[in-house]
Amino acid sequence: AQSVTQPDIHITVSEGASLELRCNYSYGATPYLFWYVQSPGQGLQLLLKYFSGDTLVQGIKGFEAEFKRSQSSFNLRKPSVHWSDAAEYFCAVGDMNTGFQKLVFGTGTRLLVSP
Amino acid sequence: DAGVTQSPTHLIKTRGQQVTLRCSPKSGHDTVSWYQQALGQGPQFIFQYYEEEERQRGNFPDRFSGHQFPNYSSELNVNALLLGDSALYLCASSQSDRGNRNEQFFGPGTRLTVL
Repeated sequence: AQSVTQPDIHITVSEGASLELRCNYSYGATPYLFWYVQSPGQGLQLLLKYFSGDTLVQGIKGFEAEFKRSQSSFNLRKPSVHWSDAAEYFCAVGDMNTGFQKLVFGTGTRLLVSP
Repeated sequence: DAGVTQSPTHLIKTRGQQVTLRCSPKSGHDTVSWYQQALGQGPQFIFQYYEEEERQRGNFPDRFSGHQFPNYSSELNVNALLLGDSALYLCASSQSDRGNRNEQFFGPGTRLTVL
């Protein structure tokens, strides 16, 4: 079965420091991969997505992610974190096994930003 | 352009009761998916509606049912509520004509508390 693992439950980063959130997936075919952000009490906002092509994808708010097939990973990065980036981040894979896309999410990583 | 809207924002029910949650998709979208997000977890896929029919379903009991209307809006119904049904219920909409590369847009969610 398809699955997504986010090994870090919490991460604390100083404001201005760089960030990398880890995501590993299990999927039998070429995956469609997504990163979403969720602020407290809010729904999910798409940061970026990978369908094919260039393995380094750019997203909104200065985020980027790199797809590495050999490592089954899709890690999210940002060179300089802002206090407003504090939120919950979810990695997801699009499961097309049934012919219709559903999203399989990881358990999330909570990002805390220290001054 | 309004995004995905959901109502109500919050809901409190007691065990055994029934609840109906509502979702209006983003303009131009014809497919609606529902997800359940328990506290501290990632969203889990409940089911997806297209052309007023349920076209795939996650691992949820028959107490969870849904409906899609001709205007593409959707309802999620949960019968015989259990304490474990307490969660944030997220609706996501997408365009079917984008095929495999459809992006799902999420609403703000309905917070259901079962006492």
